[in-house]
Amino acid sequence: QAVLTQPSSLSASPGASASLTCTLRSGINVGTYTIYWYQQKPGSPPQYLLRYKSDSDKQQGSGVPSRFSGSKGASANAGILLISGLQSEDEADYYCMIWHNSAWVFGGGTKLTVL
Amino acid sequence: QVQLVQSGAEVKKPGASAKVSCKASGYTFSSYDINWVRQATGQGLEWMGWMDTNTGNTGYAQKFQGRVTMTRDTSISTAYMELSSLRSEDTAVYYCTKNPPHEGFTGEWGQGTLLTVSS
Repeated sequence: QAVLTQPSSLSASPGASASLTCTLRSGINVGTYTIYWYQQKPGSPPQYLLRYKSDSDKQQGSGVPSRFSGSKGASANAGILLISGLQSEDEADYYCMIWHNSAWVFGGGTKLTVL
Repeated sequence: QVQLVQSGAEVKKPGASAKVSCKASGYTFSSYDINWVRQATGQGLEWMGWMDTNTGNTGYAQKFQGRVTMTRDTSISTAYMELSSLRSEDTAVYYCTKNPPHEGFTGEWGQGTLLTVSS
């Protein structure tokens, strides 16, 4: 089982909100991890969006709009990237990442379609 | 402004080695780590390892142990990633990224270097 699992795709309408999940493998407690989120558009390197550990320990990337926010779902053992007020330019691949067992680990990515 | 400029695309034969460079500008090179991440076409991101540009200390993903070597030349603010014993599965875009020591990749990324391994 992968350390981080993301749904492969998600679709949402312009103006709506999208909740992207990053589920940690059973036995790895999301509460102890800082989750990083990245956006990648075709042909470009990933861009840092934000990191989230708790409401008191989080950081927004430079220039990243506040409609991108992070949280955790403890019951689901998952990190969550919430994008509100979806815009066509938000269509991209989104990756989560954690530091686990002395290594950076990425989720498989979610392709977000805005239509 | 902060920039990471990587070397150009390369084509290598199986069994050969490849060395990708990442030239930094716009900040104090030795104050940030450099990490390397690769991405095969249509696939996700895969972390390869990190380097403390101040000390030269490195840490590699288990998958690449014994095949990857990360070095730097502080006099020209350039980091290098060398991958040996290349196989077709190593065909990917390789990225460098800077980050504060022991933190995630919150900074800039290089533009990527396409490495193609083909006979």
